[in-house]
Amino acid sequence: DSGVTQTPKHLITATGQRVTLRCSPRSGDLSVYWYQQSLDQGLQFLIQYYNGEERAKGNILERFSAQQFPDLHSELNLSSLELGDSALYFCASSARDSTYEQYFGPGTRLTVT
Amino acid sequence: GQSLEQPSEVTAVEGAIVQINCTYQTSGFYGLSWYQQHDGGAPTFLSYNALDGLEETGRFSSFLSRSDSYGYLLLQELQMKDSASYFCALGRNTPLVFGKGTRLSVIA
Repeated sequence: DSGVTQTPKHLITATGQRVTLRCSPRSGDLSVYWYQQSLDQGLQFLIQYYNGEERAKGNILERFSAQQFPDLHSELNLSSLELGDSALYFCASSARDSTYEQYFGPGTRLTVT
Repeated sequence: GQSLEQPSEVTAVEGAIVQINCTYQTSGFYGLSWYQQHDGGAPTFLSYNALDGLEETGRFSSFLSRSDSYGYLLLQELQMKDSASYFCALGRNTPLVFGKGTRLSVIA
C-alpha cells in the first residue's frame, strides 16, 4: 500500500459524458501527479500540482482539467469523453524535491462506451 | 525533448539473472529511475541513479553511465513474482518521462 488513494476504482460511462476522478496523496506529500496509461501509449504524464498550484503540464487535452484543494487532495475532470479516453488513470504523489521517487495510487480504470 | 528506449519483452529462467537495458536522449540529465508494475497494479519505485555506477537494493541493482546515456536494471535470483513490466524514467525535480516498459516473463 503506497498510501495514495484513488476513487473510484472502476468507471464505465458513455461518450460525451463528464467524469471526475479523485486522489488523496500520501500524508505529507505536497506534489500530486496525474498519468494516463493506455496499451499503446504507455505512461503519459498529464499534469502536476504542488501545494495547490499547477506546477507542470504534460500531454493533457483541453477537455481535461485538474485541481488540487487546500487539503491537498486532487481531482481530474474529464469531459466530452471519447472512446479513446478509455485508459487507466493513475495519481501519484511525492515529497517536494524528489519527483524521481513517486508513490502511485491503485488507479482508476475508465471505460468509455 | 526526452526519450527512452528499452526492450519490449524479456524472458528469463527462475533463479537466473536478467538485465533490462535503457538508453535515453535528453538535453539535460537529472537522473534515471526504475519502476516495477505488475499486471493491473500500480507502478512502484525501485531505484534511482543520479551518478555513474551501481546502486544495489537487495536482489535489484541499477547501473548508470551518463557518458553513454545508458542504464540498466539487474535482477538476481529471479522469482516468479518478478514477472512484471519494468520502466525506466528520466527526471529528478521535474515530471518524469517514462520509457514504454519492458515486460519480464520469468519461466520455471
